[in-house]
Amino acid sequence: DVKVTQSSRYLVKRTGEKVFLECVQDMDHENMFWYRQDPGLGLRLIYFSYDVKMKEKGDIPEGYSVSREKKERFSLILESASTNQTSMYLCASSKRRGQGYTFGSGTRLTVV
Amino acid sequence: GQQLNQSPQSMFIQEGEDVSMNCTSSSIFNTWLWYKQDPGEGPVLLIALYKAGELTSNGRLTAQFGITRKDSFLNISASIPSDVGIYFCAGQLFGGSQGNLIFGKGTKLSVKP
Repeated sequence: DVKVTQSSRYLVKRTGEKVFLECVQDMDHENMFWYRQDPGLGLRLIYFSYDVKMKEKGDIPEGYSVSREKKERFSLILESASTNQTSMYLCASSKRRGQGYTFGSGTRLTVV
Repeated sequence: GQQLNQSPQSMFIQEGEDVSMNCTSSSIFNTWLWYKQDPGEGPVLLIALYKAGELTSNGRLTAQFGITRKDSFLNISASIPSDVGIYFCAGQLFGGSQGNLIFGKGTKLSVKP
């Protein structure tokens, strides 16, 4: 089975800190995605990547950046964390575009 | 961006009841998928549909790809307490330039024992 592993289940950070959320997949998937999930708003796409060193903005990229130096790893960076970035963050991957995604277990980030 | 209208937003049902939820759009889709998210976990793929009219089952779950390619439904028969969670539909838009999936906002299912 494909596994998508997010490094932390729960994280508490202070306003203004630089935050790194790490995601690793073990099945050689080309495509990787970062979403945030908030009650009533569903899943919102932050950034995605179709290849190493490639990145594309999703629907809500403001305040975030990403890094994909290796195929299996896709990192989400909050340059200066703010309280409105408190959320559940989900990483996902897929082999080909349009195929179903495999999600990680999520990181619940609280910014205080 | 593109929207998938998923309904109902939430359901509170008795154990043993059947459940039905659906997703609709004004656009045509190539693929429909249904996910379930348990509390505190990431979504897990339940059923994938690739052809208009396709009807697929996975245990007590049945999903259909609408004949117009603009909708899909998911049925759960004889619900049990572990069916609790959020169910998401997702689809790949026909002719979409990126091929990313579009997600509905979810149906939150609560089951009363």
